Amino acid sequence: DTEVTQTPKHLVMGMTNKKSLKCEQHMGHRAMYWYKQKAKKPPELMFVYSYEKLSINESVPSRFSPECPNSSLLNLHLHALQPEDSALYLCASSPLPSGSLYNEQFFGPGTRLTVL
Amino acid sequence: GQQLNQSPQSMFIQEGEDVSMNCTSSSIFNTWLWYKQDPGEGPVLLIALYKAGELTSNGRLTAQFGITRKDSFLNISASIPSDVGIYFCAGQGMYSGGGADGLTFGKGTHLIIQP
Repeated sequence: DTEVTQTPKHLVMGMTNKKSLKCEQHMGHRAMYWYKQKAKKPPELMFVYSYEKLSINESVPSRFSPECPNSSLLNLHLHALQPEDSALYLCASSPLPSGSLYNEQFFGPGTRLTVL
Repeated sequence: GQQLNQSPQSMFIQEGEDVSMNCTSSSIFNTWLWYKQDPGEGPVLLIALYKAGELTSNGRLTAQFGITRKDSFLNISASIPSDVGIYFCAGQGMYSGGGADGLTFGKGTHLIIQP
């Protein structure tokens, strides 16, 4: 298995809802990432997990809560989001731990989130 | 924060033509990555460059890591319709956003192929 998978593909939620995004990889990668991408813009880093521990939080609002239950899974819990949070949420993984050089990242297909 | 200048912003070309795009930075990177993204999908890694001066090919794609470590280019030869999409460069290094692991992305080159 050489890919990063994400579910769901699409998600529509109200501002009072609680939902979760899921990411999975079975390549034995040591680091996993969450990115946010607005239309026609490059991805923006949100969180980095290395060896299942949060290593980087790019000043993301607390309404986004990441979780790494094991080395293959990464979740992003969403609560009380705003319409401006609507975006494509991308998960990525890389073979080596966070902070390693030459550590290319492989992206999943993304979850298209719409907040009403 | 770090910025990568990627150009051109968009390209309108005829099928069969060669394509060239580049990225420049004011800071040094240890790794340059080139990705292609189709609408509604995640970026797909095309080429990874690790060494200054390195020239790497992947089929019709060729990319180079600039000798100063502050730039990179991507060439696509004999373009075909499935080459349509947005191409992003990304640099990885000590001063990238998010620490040594974070990728700094260029703003993307939107490639449009006219039949």
